[in-house]
Amino acid sequence: AQSVTQLGSHVSVSEGALVLLRCNYSSSVPPYLFWYVQYPNQGLQLLLKYTSAATLVKGINGFEAEFKKSETSFHLTKPSAHMSDAAEYFCAVSSGSARQLTFGSGTQLTVLP
Amino acid sequence: GAGVSQSPSNKVTEKGKDVELRCDPISGHTALYWYRQSLGQGLEFLIYFQGNSAPDKSGLPSDRFSAERTGGSVSTLTIQRTQQEDSAVYLCASSPQLRGGTGELFFGEGSRLTVL
Repeated sequence: AQSVTQLGSHVSVSEGALVLLRCNYSSSVPPYLFWYVQYPNQGLQLLLKYTSAATLVKGINGFEAEFKKSETSFHLTKPSAHMSDAAEYFCAVSSGSARQLTFGSGTQLTVLP
Repeated sequence: GAGVSQSPSNKVTEKGKDVELRCDPISGHTALYWYRQSLGQGLEFLIYFQGNSAPDKSGLPSDRFSAERTGGSVSTLTIQRTQQEDSAVYLCASSPQLRGGTGELFFGEGSRLTVL
């Protein structure tokens, strides 16, 4: 079985501040982990993915995430928030024989001027 | 176009009516998924098609929901006798489905269903 928990359904940061979106997963086997972003009235777009290579993964738009097995976490960070980062962010896991992604409930990021 | 195409983008229907939602995946992608996104909730897996294999229907919420994929390409999600709780955005995604794991999913913009 696999599951994802995203802590904080809403996160607000000031423009230029650090962005930290939390994701914890549960998986009985080594997982693949993903972060997707959804802008208003659009589909989901892949930000980055972890597939058992480097534990620090860099994605698009300056985002990165670190896989920490001991903490079963895959938190998303960006050093300096931009207004255009305002969107909903979803963490997802796929593991073992599962061929579908299991998504977290999402975190709405607001960037304040 | 090069992306996943879904139609209609918006659908308003009356309770009890049937609806069909269409998904045209990226050419060459063997895997196709349907997810449901309800207000304030995450994405709920509905059904998964992979090539000629039997689909994984484990996420369909009731027997009012069904889906088919013709010729390994276009897929149609059908909801019979719609209920108000079916109101949601229905997202389709396709993937090249890498061996040994899950590849990136490419999502369409979704079909927003409103049941009055």
